[in-house]
Amino acid sequence: AQRVTQPEKLLSVFKGAPVELKCNYSYSGSPELFWYVQYSRQRLQLLLRHISRESIKGFTADLNKGETSFHLKKPFAQEEDSAMYYCALRVMGNTPLVFGKGTRLSVIA
Amino acid sequence: NAGVTQTPKFQVLKTGQSMTLQCAQDMNHNSMYWYRQDPGMGLRLIYYSASEGTTDKGEVPNGYNVSRLNKREFSLRLESAAPSQTSVYFCASSPGASGSHNEQFFGPGTRLTVL
Repeated sequence: AQRVTQPEKLLSVFKGAPVELKCNYSYSGSPELFWYVQYSRQRLQLLLRHISRESIKGFTADLNKGETSFHLKKPFAQEEDSAMYYCALRVMGNTPLVFGKGTRLSVIA
Repeated sequence: NAGVTQTPKFQVLKTGQSMTLQCAQDMNHNSMYWYRQDPGMGLRLIYYSASEGTTDKGEVPNGYNVSRLNKREFSLRLESAAPSQTSVYFCASSPGASGSHNEQFFGPGTRLTVL
C-alpha cells in the first residue's frame, strides 16, 4: 500500500530562517505528489503539486525519485507561514489522495 | 461559486445517536470524498465516490455509511455514534479525470463531538 511519511510533527523556526518540511513516500511507480496547507481553523488548500514545478508563496518542492522524497522548502520563513502542512500522494489514475500525518510549522517572530 | 459546502459546521451528539453530515459541490466534479482529521493522525479516508452511482470504502469505514445522492451531493451517516468518532470531518471533491494530477478541493469541515 502507498504510504506518506512526514517525520516531524512540529517544526519551529525563527522568522527569516530557512524552512524544510520533510516528506517521504513509499510507492514503486510514478506518483503524483502534492503539498496542502491548512491555516488555523480553515479548510485545506492546495499549496503546490510536483507536476507544476512552480513556487507558491515562496515555497518549492522537488520530487526526488531516488530518495522517494518530496520535501517542501522556503528560504526565508514568514510569520504568516505558520500552519499545518500535509504531504499527499496519488498513484496514477483516478484514486483518492493518501495523506501524511502532517507537520505543524510555527514561525517565531 | 461556493465550491464545496458542508453542513452542519458543529454538532454534539450523545453516544448511540445518529446523524447525517451533508456535503455538496458546485464544480461539476465527478469524484467526492469523506475524510476525518484527528490530532497526530492526519487525514484518513473514510469513503469515496469515484463517480455518480459508485462508492468505495477508504481506510477507516467502520461505523459509517455514505450516499452519493446525485453528482453534487455526497452524505456521510453515523448510525450509532461513538466517542471514537469525535473528529473533524472534511468533504472533498475532484474532477475525477485520470492522469491529470487533479487537485482535491476541500470543504470547511464539520466539528463533531460525541459524548
